[in-house]
Amino acid sequence: GENVEQHPSTLSVQEGDSAVIKCTYSDSASNYFPWYKQELGKGPQLIIDIRSNVGEKKDQRIAVTLNKTAKHFSLHITETQPEDSAVYFCAASLTGNQFYFGTGTSLTVIP
Amino acid sequence: DSGVTQTPKHLITATGQRVTLRCSPRSGDLSVYWYQQSLDQGLQFLIQYYNGEERAKGNILERFSAQQFPDLHSELNLSSLELGDSALYFCASSVEQVPGNTIYFGEGSWLTVV
Repeated sequence: GENVEQHPSTLSVQEGDSAVIKCTYSDSASNYFPWYKQELGKGPQLIIDIRSNVGEKKDQRIAVTLNKTAKHFSLHITETQPEDSAVYFCAASLTGNQFYFGTGTSLTVIP
Repeated sequence: DSGVTQTPKHLITATGQRVTLRCSPRSGDLSVYWYQQSLDQGLQFLIQYYNGEERAKGNILERFSAQQFPDLHSELNLSSLELGDSALYFCASSVEQVPGNTIYFGEGSWLTVV
């Protein structure tokens, strides 16, 4: 089955700096890659996603890039703010039945 | 608010007991997924239902079972509970189960086994 690896597990950045979280996947047939943000005590919330026919997608301060050849995708957060502090999960899906999640990155934005 | 409703939010029970977690998917969503998140762990896929039928199974223990009812709500039954079953259980839903399909999570049910 699919295996998703996520790095780093923890990340601290100064407010205003950029944060980058990277994920790799093993199944080249995976075609949908969402990113979720989970705040303490809450459920994961979809923040951005990308499909395999697209190389990059942006939504304000958040962007995701996908390299299908290398089988990796990354989340980029620019101009970080304290409210960006949370755990971020990447995921990969092929069939829509199963979503394989990375192990999460705990992001801390230092004011 | 994702539109996915889970009850109860918190539950404390003793080892050996049985509990039922309930999930109401977003309006119009036919597919329901259950995930387990233990302390400092990622999201472990348990099981998925689509329009009442089981469609995918992950790392779900034999002591656990689930079903999706005609009104599309789903229940996750956990029996013979052990201390290690303490975790946050999430339900997620989506319209379909096609590639590129987005899933939306509820707020979770915190289960503590003592």
